[in-house]
Amino acid sequence: DSGVTQTPKHLITATGQRVTLRCSPRSGDLSVYWYQQSLDQGLQFLIQYYNGEERAKGNILERFSAQQFPDLHSELNLSSLELGDSALYFCASSVGHLTNEKLFFGSGTQLSVL
Amino acid sequence: AQSVAQPEDQVNVAEGNPLTVKCTYSVSGNPYLFWYVQYPNRGLQFLLKYITGDNLVKGSYGFEAEFNKSQTSFHLKKPSALVSDSALYFCAVRDGSSNTGKLIFGQGTTLQVKP
Repeated sequence: DSGVTQTPKHLITATGQRVTLRCSPRSGDLSVYWYQQSLDQGLQFLIQYYNGEERAKGNILERFSAQQFPDLHSELNLSSLELGDSALYFCASSVGHLTNEKLFFGSGTQLSVL
Repeated sequence: AQSVAQPEDQVNVAEGNPLTVKCTYSVSGNPYLFWYVQYPNRGLQFLLKYITGDNLVKGSYGFEAEFNKSQTSFHLKKPSALVSDSALYFCAVRDGSSNTGKLIFGQGTTLQVKP
């Protein structure tokens, strides 16, 4: 168990809908990262937050947004969902924002858009 | 920009034989390199990292990786494969000169170890 908790584990929804994925980092970790894993794109970095502030941005669509709250949990909001958004979404955390730190990954949220 | 290439989609090896999973990288600053493993229906687990120092890095479960700056490679190795090593392996790179923790992953290599 990595200590990173993601809910829900599975999510089935329809095109055009909006969903929220939640992540609780390991106790004491200040950085949260979101990744999208799909068969055709592989593991894509979406966004990083450190202590409530956005730290780095990757290939995140404008329909997607994220935030990190004062208690350090994070939410990834996906709106106007399309079939192509179906993927496994991972959250990861690390102690700080330093580049030599390893990430601890949650078990992911499997999103299916029908 | 950072990028990672894992040239093999799948590597097959017999149990007891040595294994190598290949990785090459591109980064403008200092490369910080990582290997992660993903078992079915699980999140990624950290195996090992190279930040600086010895080119041969030892990690979890008997794995090691060799950093080669001239070839921009960071191949994962194990002297004797186990069936339980069968999983999806990811190489990842960070730009050590940047001020973010942005970690870029390769496409992944499936390792199949047969009894």
